Amino acid sequence: GENVEQHPSTLSVQEGDSAVIKCTYSDSASNYFPWYKQELGKGPQLIIDIRSNVGEKKDQRIAVTLNKTAKHFSLHITETQPEDSAVYFCAASRWGNYQLIWGAGTKLIIKP
Amino acid sequence: EAGVTQSPTHLIKTRGQQVTLRCSPISGHTSVYWYQQALGLGLQFLLWYDEGEERNRGNFPPRFSGRQFPNYSSELNVNALELEDSALYLCASSLEGAGGYTFGSGTRLTVV
Repeated sequence: GENVEQHPSTLSVQEGDSAVIKCTYSDSASNYFPWYKQELGKGPQLIIDIRSNVGEKKDQRIAVTLNKTAKHFSLHITETQPEDSAVYFCAASRWGNYQLIWGAGTKLIIKP
Repeated sequence: EAGVTQSPTHLIKTRGQQVTLRCSPISGHTSVYWYQQALGLGLQFLLWYDEGEERNRGNFPPRFSGRQFPNYSSELNVNALELEDSALYLCASSLEGAGGYTFGSGTRLTVV
């Protein structure tokens, strides 16, 4: 079945450094790739997404890159801040009324 | 615009009891998804409802069930509660063709 693998499961970085989380998907028909951030005690929140017609998308300190040939996509966070500490989930699906397939999550820890 | 609302926020039940969780999607969203998230772990897909119909079901026993009402709100029912049902239950909604989900804050269920 369709599968999304996410690595690493835990990532600890120094405040101010960059963080990169990677996901690989199995369904070659997938063309929509969102990233979610879940803070403690809250539901996941969409932070950025990309469709397969572009290779990169940026929003201030966060960016997502997509390599369709290799079927992987990554979340990049630059100049990390304490408030970036959270669990991040990647997902993939076909655009339209299709169900998202989720990665297992990455716990990002920002060290002061 | 009101977000996805879930009720109750917390509840404690005894093993063997039954529980009903409720979810109101964002106005105009026709799809509702239910997820189970055990402490510190990933999102386990439970159910997907769209236009009042069950579209897909995750790998959970039949004692997990639900329904979607004509106003697109939804209920999740869990019968014969077991200790391992203790988790955060998240509801999300989406607009057909719009990709991303919007999550509620969840219901924290504790089974004792």
